[in-house]
Amino acid sequence: ILNVEQSPQSLHVQEGDSTNFTCSFPSSNFYALHWYRWETAKSPEALFVMTLNGDEKKKGRISATLNTKEGYSYLYIKGSQPEDSATYLCASPLYNQGGKLIFGQGTELSVKP
Amino acid sequence: EAQVTQNPRYLITVTGKKLTVTCSQNMNHEYMSWYRQDPGLGLRQIYYSMNVEVTDKGDVPEGYKVSRKEKRNFPLILESPSPNQTSLYFCASQGGEKLFFGSGTQLSVL
Repeated sequence: ILNVEQSPQSLHVQEGDSTNFTCSFPSSNFYALHWYRWETAKSPEALFVMTLNGDEKKKGRISATLNTKEGYSYLYIKGSQPEDSATYLCASPLYNQGGKLIFGQGTELSVKP
Repeated sequence: EAQVTQNPRYLITVTGKKLTVTCSQNMNHEYMSWYRQDPGLGLRQIYYSMNVEVTDKGDVPEGYKVSRKEKRNFPLILESPSPNQTSLYFCASQGGEKLFFGSGTQLSVL
């Protein structure tokens, strides 16, 4: 059974703070790691899909790194803004079992002005 | 515009009354799936489909049915809804590794 876990469960920061959170996954049979951003009352939107060990992706103030050997990915937000408030989900697909995507429980980020 | 269209957004029903939540995508994606989101449990997959007429159970398939007669449509059917199926539901299609989600359906079963 593949478990995808995220920490912390929730995070409260002040505007301007930089923050990061973690997604961990079993390193065996790794295929890909997804990050999604989910704002309240909206649907989740893809941020990154990462496949290579050491991969680093960036989108504006948000970046992510991937370590497939030890089974973790970090998501960083530089200079958090109130509009960054959302739940950040990571997920990993089980292609050796027909493509089932397993989601972590998410990290709920709240940025106070 | 590329999108996943899911309807309805909100639905209140009573126990035992059959309902269908529709999902349609215009991106010609082969892979589609349904998820439910419950507090503290995250997104859990209900059913998925790799292509037309190919469907399979996800993590929580009990009480649900799906069909994939056409590539673009993947409806979720609750034959006899129960209160424990009160949840937020998302349809998604997958293209180029990423999932594209519908707008969600908040279902309440009384």
